[in-house]
Amino acid sequence: RKEVEQDPGPFNVPEGATVAFNCTYSNSASQSFFWYRQDCRKEPKLLMSVYSSGNEDGRFTAQLNRASQYISLLIRDSKLSDSATYLCVVNYWDQGGKLIFGQGTELSVKP
Amino acid sequence: DGGITQSPKYLFRKEGQNVTLSCEQNLNHDAMYWYRQDPGQGLRLIYYSQIVNDFQKGDIAEGYSVSREKKESFPLTVTSAQKNPTAFYLCASSPRQGGSYEQYFGPGTRLTVT
Repeated sequence: RKEVEQDPGPFNVPEGATVAFNCTYSNSASQSFFWYRQDCRKEPKLLMSVYSSGNEDGRFTAQLNRASQYISLLIRDSKLSDSATYLCVVNYWDQGGKLIFGQGTELSVKP
Repeated sequence: DGGITQSPKYLFRKEGQNVTLSCEQNLNHDAMYWYRQDPGQGLRLIYYSQIVNDFQKGDIAEGYSVSREKKESFPLTVTSAQKNPTAFYLCASSPRQGGSYEQYFGPGTRLTVT
């Protein structure tokens, strides 16, 4: 089993749609969680951290369920500029801050 | 402007040659990391360093070497022993202070070995 698994995608949605990405992780000792966004042939950029109580940043909402070892990202009112690959990332503090990346879920928002 | 710089953006080498990729940060971050990304795969950790003059192997360290002589710099050498060196190489840094463990990435170097 992969340490971090994401929906395979790609997701093709119209502008204005709501889209949800799911992610599961295998190590119950995992301690910090993030969503990164990666545009084609560019570096990953931090989108948001994921907190136990859930957190929201504008149109983006992240949820964490430690018991189920599950993370989600919800994007409301999708924009063309949201088209990118979304990476679910888990951080192990006790391993030098090592990040484990999911393979990513590609999102394409169409007019 | 604070940030992470990597150079060059594109690099071409012949098989059998060693090549060094540059990574510099002026964010005053303690920790630095090297990852490689191959098409259709997630990022994989090559080496990391939490402090000057110290570094640890990641998951795929074979065929690579690093140094951390200065806080700002963490160069990666891809040696001729690395069997499949063609990839997108990403350097990252992290403050690792006050519970902040997020990592910030440089723009990457695309290495092609023929």
